[in-house]
Amino acid sequence: AQRVTQPEKLLSVFKGAPVELKCNYSYSGSPELFWYVQYSRQRLQLLLRHISRESIKGFTADLNKGETSFHLKKPFAQEEDSAMYYCALKGDTGFQKLVFGTGTRLLVSP
Amino acid sequence: KAGVTQTPRYLIKTRGQQVTLSCSPISGHRSVSWYQQTPGQGLQFLFEYFSETQRNKGNFPGRFSGRQFSNSRSEMNVSTLELGDSALYLCASSGLAGTGELFFGEGSRLTVL
Repeated sequence: AQRVTQPEKLLSVFKGAPVELKCNYSYSGSPELFWYVQYSRQRLQLLLRHISRESIKGFTADLNKGETSFHLKKPFAQEEDSAMYYCALKGDTGFQKLVFGTGTRLLVSP
Repeated sequence: KAGVTQTPRYLIKTRGQQVTLSCSPISGHRSVSWYQQTPGQGLQFLFEYFSETQRNKGNFPGRFSGRQFSNSRSEMNVSTLELGDSALYLCASSGLAGTGELFFGEGSRLTVL
């Protein structure tokens, strides 16, 4: 079965502090992992995907198959990073089905 | 280009009724997926359509159905509504097969009384 776990419902940090949003997954095949973000009054949108190995808005995430994790990190949080973050897994079936975690709300205070 | 458009944005129904939600994908996108979002369960996959064919279905009862038209627009229907069907229904479209990059609409918020 495919499962994504985000253990923290809320993560509150001060501006300039490092951020790490945790994501663990369960999947027997070769998954693709994603982070989606929803800013206030905006649509859910893709932030980054593990296969691209890129940094978006200062965020990075590395797929650790040994620990089945895909944590999202940023060295210095900004107030505009405040949003709801969802980790998602796509199986290797070729279809677009995503399994989402329950989300972590990041609150960055000045 | 215009984003994914969902209608209606809000609706209220009573138990036992049925509802049809509509989704217009981004022009050129052929894959449309539907998700149910609730505070307790989060985002749960309902189904995916590609070129008018249902490719994948989530673990929802048969009361939940959908279809896709030749212009890629999609509808989902929920019959015999139950209180637990109250949720935000999100539609997402994708232009590239199997990439996992979904473009979401704003959702249709269904309240069942």
